[in-house]
Amino acid sequence: EAGVTQSPRYAVLQEGQAVSFWCDPISGHDTLYWYQQPRDQGPQLLVYFRDEAVIDNSQLPSDRFSAVRPKGTNSTLKIQSAKQGDTATYLCASSRDWTSQNTLYFGAGTRLSVL
Amino acid sequence: AQSVTQPDARVTVSEGASLQLRCKYSYFGTPYLFWYVQYPRQGLQLLLKYYPGDPVVQGVNGFEAEFSKSNSSFHLRKASVHWSDWAVYFCAVSDMGYKLTFGTGTSLLVDP
Repeated sequence: EAGVTQSPRYAVLQEGQAVSFWCDPISGHDTLYWYQQPRDQGPQLLVYFRDEAVIDNSQLPSDRFSAVRPKGTNSTLKIQSAKQGDTATYLCASSRDWTSQNTLYFGAGTRLSVL
Repeated sequence: AQSVTQPDARVTVSEGASLQLRCKYSYFGTPYLFWYVQYPRQGLQLLLKYYPGDPVVQGVNGFEAEFSKSNSSFHLRKASVHWSDWAVYFCAVSDMGYKLTFGTGTSLLVDP
């Protein structure tokens, strides 16, 4: 079974530039999560989907961040105008469903540096 | 709101020695608790998970953890550390399993 795939692995931007991250979850997993992990910190949930619907995006900076999962499979996280404070690793995870018995499977992440 | 505290940012142990990584949680009710490991340049991988039941949970690669409601703790243990255990370990608490709140992580260094 293929794992969660993310691309690109690295991104380096100047402030004000835009960037998109792509995630391909494990086949058959209906729940998908995006986490932000600043250096030397734990991951923090940004948004999660059940199929194509956003379930919780309360921690997503809505003025500059957006996330979509149009067909309930792959997902894209976009930063419209990056700031230095966005420097972090962005992790995508998926799970078979949203119930409490579930395990989250994480991708290797995209490491973003904003100069 | 739920939260997790990992008081030790870094722990160093000798190969073959025993290990305990500390985790304290804050949650109203009975929590679901997890330990994840992150190897360099890789995503997080589940070591073990606790659902209400037996307080001692066995995980992969010889890891186990013990849930204590009275101490609000979920410490991770291993009897004999191997050099390949060198990684960052995260404790997490969940409300019904879908929204994980992670601690800041403990970096484990293994002396040869």
